Amino acid sequence: LAKTTQPISMDSYEGQEVNITCSHNNIATNDYITWYQQFPSQGPRFIIQGYKTKVTNEVASLFIPADRKSSTLSLPRVSLSDTAVYYCLVGDRNTGFQKLVFGTGTRLLVSP
Amino acid sequence: DGGITQSPKYLFRKEGQNVTLSCEQNLNHDAMYWYRQDPGQGLRLIYYSQIVNDFQKGDIAEGYSVSREKKESFPLTVTSAQKNPTAFYLCASSTPTGGGEDTQYFGPGTRLTVL
Repeated sequence: LAKTTQPISMDSYEGQEVNITCSHNNIATNDYITWYQQFPSQGPRFIIQGYKTKVTNEVASLFIPADRKSSTLSLPRVSLSDTAVYYCLVGDRNTGFQKLVFGTGTRLLVSP
Repeated sequence: DGGITQSPKYLFRKEGQNVTLSCEQNLNHDAMYWYRQDPGQGLRLIYYSQIVNDFQKGDIAEGYSVSREKKESFPLTVTSAQKNPTAFYLCASSTPTGGGEDTQYFGPGTRLTVL
């Protein structure tokens, strides 16, 4: 299983850019990197997914260096509603079917 | 609206009773999953199913059972053999592309409390 390591918590203020870095040293060739967001007592919500270089959507950007051993989720101009837990996941391809392994995530607190 | 529904949102049961959690999806997804989440922790995979009439144990399947008789439905039974069943249970579905991409869509969850 490809494990991920990310900070337990981060603090920010409204309007700032937040970058959450995830380490995945054992990522396999065919693995994709996926980020989810979870609010309390709700199911996780897909944010963004990528394989290499940079991916951007209406919510976030994902930066993946050439060696793919880490990735950075960038949230531009966060608001209070971005306070949540963010999970970085790497696909497990051992069985030919992707099983996602959720760690404890990064708890982001955005203050006024 | 397309999505995943779980019912009920809150469930209370006495110790020793079996309980079944419902999960339905109308996204036409092939794969469905059940996760358990304990306070302050990440999600742990209980069971998953890639197609109808087939399912596989996840990392913490002991004390749980599932069935997949229909594509849309993947109920989870928490049996009396599960030693610590109080938790937040999440159902998800996806259509694996086989190319490494697998976006899972999650339901709202069921919070089970065993008294």
